[in-house]
Amino acid sequence: AQSVTQPDARVTVSEGASLQLRCKYSYSATPYLFWYVQYPRQGLQLLLKYYSGDPVVQGVNSFEAEFSKSNSSFHLQKASVHWSDSAVYFCALSAHTGGNNKLTFGQGTVLSVIP
Amino acid sequence: GPKVLQIPSHQIIDMGQMVTLNCDPVSNHLYFYWYKQILGQQMEFLVNFYNGKVMEKSKLFKDQFSVERPDGSYFTLKIQPTALEDSAVYFCASSPGNSGNTLYFGEGSRLIVV
Repeated sequence: AQSVTQPDARVTVSEGASLQLRCKYSYSATPYLFWYVQYPRQGLQLLLKYYSGDPVVQGVNSFEAEFSKSNSSFHLQKASVHWSDSAVYFCALSAHTGGNNKLTFGQGTVLSVIP
Repeated sequence: GPKVLQIPSHQIIDMGQMVTLNCDPVSNHLYFYWYKQILGQQMEFLVNFYNGKVMEKSKLFKDQFSVERPDGSYFTLKIQPTALEDSAVYFCASSPGNSGNTLYFGEGSRLIVV
């Protein structure tokens, strides 16, 4: 069975500060890993994904994430946040099961960016 | 980018009544999913669907739930009868079908059962 844990339910940062949102996963092999963002009353939008290769992946809006097999982690980072980054961020995992790309989500982290 | 459309965006329904949530997935996608999100909580997998059949369902996918996609039309989630605990936002998603492909999500259908 696989699982995803986002240990921080809420994170508050000042505009212009750097950001790290933590994600830990549990899976017997190397999974596919995703970060999605959810703005109020909207669906999920993909920020970035990791399949293999370079452990640092770049995403939209200057987000990046680093995969660590030894730590079973996939933390999301941004060098300088903007107030419009305020949203809920979900880390998700997909196992290697053919075309069935069922995602297992973490609990989500609410990011508040204060001016 | 690719769009998944969901109809209705919100619905209020009396407990015990039937509701059908409709999803228009991305046109060339082969796998379809429903997720449930109770306000402020995580996205929870309900069911996925491929080639006219349910592939996998979670324990949240109660006997009162059913899915279908007749003749390539909407991918639907039907709840009959509804219960108070079915109040949530239901998200539809679709993916092309290769391993590890991205799921594309709709904006959700907010269901309130009273």
